[in-house]
Amino acid sequence: GENVEQHPSTLSVQEGDSAVIKCTYSDSASNYFPWYKQELGKGPQLIIDIRSNVGEKKDQRIAVTLNKTAKHFSLHITETQPEDSAVYFCAAVIKAAGNKLTFGGGTRVLVKP
Amino acid sequence: DADVTQTPRNRITKTGKRIMLECSQTKGHDRMYWYRQDPGLGLRLIYYSFDVKDINKGEISDGYSVSRQAQAKFSLSLESAIPNQTALYFCATSDLGPAGETQYFGPGTRLLVL
Repeated sequence: GENVEQHPSTLSVQEGDSAVIKCTYSDSASNYFPWYKQELGKGPQLIIDIRSNVGEKKDQRIAVTLNKTAKHFSLHITETQPEDSAVYFCAAVIKAAGNKLTFGGGTRVLVKP
Repeated sequence: DADVTQTPRNRITKTGKRIMLECSQTKGHDRMYWYRQDPGLGLRLIYYSFDVKDINKGEISDGYSVSRQAQAKFSLSLESAIPNQTALYFCATSDLGPAGETQYFGPGTRLLVL
């Protein structure tokens, strides 16, 4: 079926280093790719998104890249800080699934001080 | 005040009991969703509704039912709770716009079925 795969499932980085999370999707018609951050005890919140007509988008220390040909997109966090520790989810609008968001399995990021 | 609220925030119940989780939103969105998150990672869609008269099953609807009482309210019921329904449940809303679909999540309901 149509799905979104996310790797790695856990990621531990030293404060100040970069973190990269990668996702692949199966529906070539997908055109919207958001990233969500879930802090402990809270619901996921949108942190950045990208549409299929651009290849990269940045917002301060976070950036997302999209390769439509290869059907993968990535989240990059630079100069990581302890408050970046959370679970991150990628998602894609899957047209074959009724234009609904389909989420990846999530990545637990731990930033060690 | 929070845009998406869920009640209760925590619930302990026994096998076989019927329980209802409630979700309310003040964002004015037509679309509402119920997800389940199991210990660890992952969000799985249980049911979704694109407007008051529209109800659709998600990938894991067995054992659950929903009711869309109004645009602002979407409740999830477990008809006869079982231990493997122990999980964190999230309600979300969205409004499909030209930029795509941003979903706004509630704070979650932690359910334990004994």
